[in-house]
Amino acid sequence: GAVVSQHPSWVICKSGTSVKIECRSLDFQATTMFWYRQFPKQSLMLMATSNEGSKATYEQGVEKDKFLINHASLTLSTLTVTSAHPEDSSFYICSANQGVYSNQPQHFGDGTRLSIL
Amino acid sequence: AQSVTQLDSQVPVFEEAPVELRCNYSSSVSVYLFWYVQYPNQGLQLLLKYLSGSTLVKGINGFEAEFNKSQTSFHLRKPSVHISDTAEYFCAVGGYQKVTFGIGTKLQVIP
Repeated sequence: GAVVSQHPSWVICKSGTSVKIECRSLDFQATTMFWYRQFPKQSLMLMATSNEGSKATYEQGVEKDKFLINHASLTLSTLTVTSAHPEDSSFYICSANQGVYSNQPQHFGDGTRLSIL
Repeated sequence: AQSVTQLDSQVPVFEEAPVELRCNYSSSVSVYLFWYVQYPNQGLQLLLKYLSGSTLVKGINGFEAEFNKSQTSFHLRKPSVHISDTAEYFCAVGGYQKVTFGIGTKLQVIP
């Protein structure tokens, strides 16, 4: 149980293109999903917290106009990288909580490797 | 505030040898600790978690970790590693909302 699906797994596109990444909780409802970014040889950095039916909460230093997050339903959150540039190339991972208690771990998708040429 | 320190960026170990991956944490609230594993080009998979109770936690793939409050540590151990354990391991502190990850430790199992 507690499967999180992320799509696509790999994207290569030209500079200036907008890219949408989907994150779905397949067998549970997730009122909150999280978006992380991982640079090579570094840890995961939380970008934003996505709440169903409301605006996402962005971490300090993350451009909300650059990284658009939409949490349209209890099983789907999307991250759109707008007008992507080579410096946006990275590994993006989403996660979701299975329960509502503070001590439940997050379940992660398999990530999306974004390469901007 | 919470933080995680993984003291070793890389740990080479021979197959069937024991291994310990070190993790120290700091947290100003209740401590929930996790170890995740990441295989190349994949997401994170939960290995084990400490929420409360017994300080020795057993996880998947033969891993275990011990919560030591006085030393603020949560080291991950396996008595005998396999080639398939080659991956990156992340220690994390937090829970439902804010999770803070360590920088990761690359475990390289040598045949």
